[in-house]
Amino acid sequence: SQQGEEDPQALSIQEGENATMNCSYKTSINNLQWYRQNSGRGLVHLILIRSNEREKHSGRLRVTLDTSKKSSSLLITASRAADTASYFCATAPVTGANSKLTFGKGITLSVRP
Amino acid sequence: GAVVSQHPSWVICKSGTSVKIECRSLDFQATTMFWYRQFPKQSLMLMATSNEGSKATYEQGVEKDKFLINHASLTLSTLTVTSAHPEDSSFYICSARDLGREGEKLFFGSGTQLSVL
Repeated sequence: SQQGEEDPQALSIQEGENATMNCSYKTSINNLQWYRQNSGRGLVHLILIRSNEREKHSGRLRVTLDTSKKSSSLLITASRAADTASYFCATAPVTGANSKLTFGKGITLSVRP
Repeated sequence: GAVVSQHPSWVICKSGTSVKIECRSLDFQATTMFWYRQFPKQSLMLMATSNEGSKATYEQGVEKDKFLINHASLTLSTLTVTSAHPEDSSFYICSARDLGREGEKLFFGSGTQLSVL
């Protein structure tokens, strides 16, 4: 079963608006990561938040992590048409130096110009 | 960040033929690479973990004789889809970690779209 479950599955917003995407997971994690995928391309790492962190920022991205609720959110502020892509959360288990990431199903974000 | 090159970007082949996909780490050494399969609008499904100099570790339900993985050097892993059939048509992506820096995140190739006729 999926470790990470994002919601909503699809999100359509107007350029300039903020986009909030959520991810829930089931087991304890070492860190949680968000990736972006443009159609027909590989994934690009966006941001990583560790289990002992609650919030992290990178440019227009803001990630929160609530380990008690086993959930994370990704906020993209002042969205642009170029932000249109699929976004995936991925969780890293507690143990294992080279452990496998488990990806969620992804959220399709459409930003209308 | 580290660069992973995947080739080819797309391939069309006849049913019954074999297709080889290459994944190279261009500016770092990757002792481990990961191979994924992705169906349209779905998540990545991990197929196998490729280990340099040893046998790959396959996920449950993935046929190792169907999807041959070779990781002969620290910068190259290959996935060969043997005797491909239309149901093998999919998007295949590789990834690797640069353990020398930013070791926790994955760097992905650009993917290979396989279409089997």
